[in-house]
Amino acid sequence: EIVMTQSPATLSVSPGERATLSCRASQSVSSNLAWYQQKPGQAPRLLIYGASTRATGIPARFSGSGSGTEFTLTITSLQSEDFAVYYCQQYDNWPPRCTFGQGTKLEIK
Amino acid sequence: QVQLVESGGGVIQPGRSLRLSCTASGFTFSSFGMHWVRQAPGKGLEWVAVIWYDGTNKLYADSVKGRFTISRDNSKNTLYLQMSSLRAEDTAVYYCARHVAAGGSDYWGQGTLVTVSS
Repeated sequence: EIVMTQSPATLSVSPGERATLSCRASQSVSSNLAWYQQKPGQAPRLLIYGASTRATGIPARFSGSGSGTEFTLTITSLQSEDFAVYYCQQYDNWPPRCTFGQGTKLEIK
Repeated sequence: QVQLVESGGGVIQPGRSLRLSCTASGFTFSSFGMHWVRQAPGKGLEWVAVIWYDGTNKLYADSVKGRFTISRDNSKNTLYLQMSSLRAEDTAVYYCARHVAAGGSDYWGQGTLVTVSS
């Protein structure tokens, strides 16, 4: 079973600055990596898939990078609405089994 | 627009069974794989199960294998999760989510809360 580890658990950043979130896989997942944003009381929202492709309607300040076992989600010019919990998810091509990381809480500094 | 609406949650005693439903609209349900994902109170996301678009393939997390069954009725645009032998640790909000071939899940329901307690 692939284990996804996110760091840090909590990240404090000021509005307007850049946030960098990390996700590590216990074995190579190629580029089969997605990122989600979740706000309190809401369902997760897909931000990035294929490690670096923004989902429909996602602002350009969100970007993903990496492959294999090391991945990064970068959010530039943080807006107030960006403060939330972020999850990475690896998915198999076939069959589409998934594993989530434990999440990174992005909070206002 | 795409909508996924879960139902069937509630308070249930340990060892009992419960069936969740997820009704889809706004897209061709029979063309998409579907997932169940859960989130225990204050915790992270946990993938539960996936079913392929035609129902022929199903996969489960180890934590629910043998107790939960995912199914679908494409004629009713509905996804199901039959949960049996429920345990306290199954307490969570259960989400259904649409699988995207390119990766990830692009639409999620609002979730339904299942509380397993005596």
